[in-house]
Amino acid sequence: DQQVKQNSPSLSVQEGRISILNCDYTNSMFDYFLWYKKYPAEGPTFLISISSIKDKNEDGRFTVFLNKSAKHLSLHIVPSQPGDSAVYFCAAPPGSGNTGKLIFGQGTTLQVKP
Amino acid sequence: KAGVTQTPRYLIKTRGQQVTLSCSPISGHRSVSWYQQTPGQGLQFLFEYFSETQRNKGNFPGRFSGRQFSNSRSEMNVSTLELGDSALYLCASSLATGYTEAFFGQGTRLTVV
Repeated sequence: DQQVKQNSPSLSVQEGRISILNCDYTNSMFDYFLWYKKYPAEGPTFLISISSIKDKNEDGRFTVFLNKSAKHLSLHIVPSQPGDSAVYFCAAPPGSGNTGKLIFGQGTTLQVKP
Repeated sequence: KAGVTQTPRYLIKTRGQQVTLSCSPISGHRSVSWYQQTPGQGLQFLFEYFSETQRNKGNFPGRFSGRQFSNSRSEMNVSTLELGDSALYLCASSLATGYTEAFFGQGTRLTVV
């Protein structure tokens, strides 16, 4: 039972353009979401998070949008840079009130072409 | 501030052996979680320890176990290794309560031959 889904295994964009990574979830009890970026042979690095009381959170080039009715969130990267090429995971704690347990999506590999 | 430290970084073991991996969390973090990453299954939650007690457990067989010490350092153990246990094992530390980010170590790459 995949409660967090990233249906696009890969995405390729041109440098300077917008990258949009999508994530869907099935459990309406989820109330907090995180995005992580992962390079090969390294651990995931936290990027940005959003609480279900908001529909948007912005941090520099990264913006996360949350559509609770559709159980959908997206990460926008503007402008995209070659260094952004990595695997991006969305994750959610299953209503536990802390982030000790995270359920991850399968990840989307982003390639930003110079 | 030091990050999450995992040792060793790489490990090669033979089927049937057991292995112990170590994780030192960020100072002040009392929750330590373990994840397994494989190409087919993605990042799967193994278990979480808080105050030396297992607080959450994922859907893994009993061959996978862990513990946490009074200084919050954690170890995980896999007994009777199988080829399918080959994976990147990641440790994450976080504050014990509230929605804050979990910080990950670089992982231990385990290869079972």
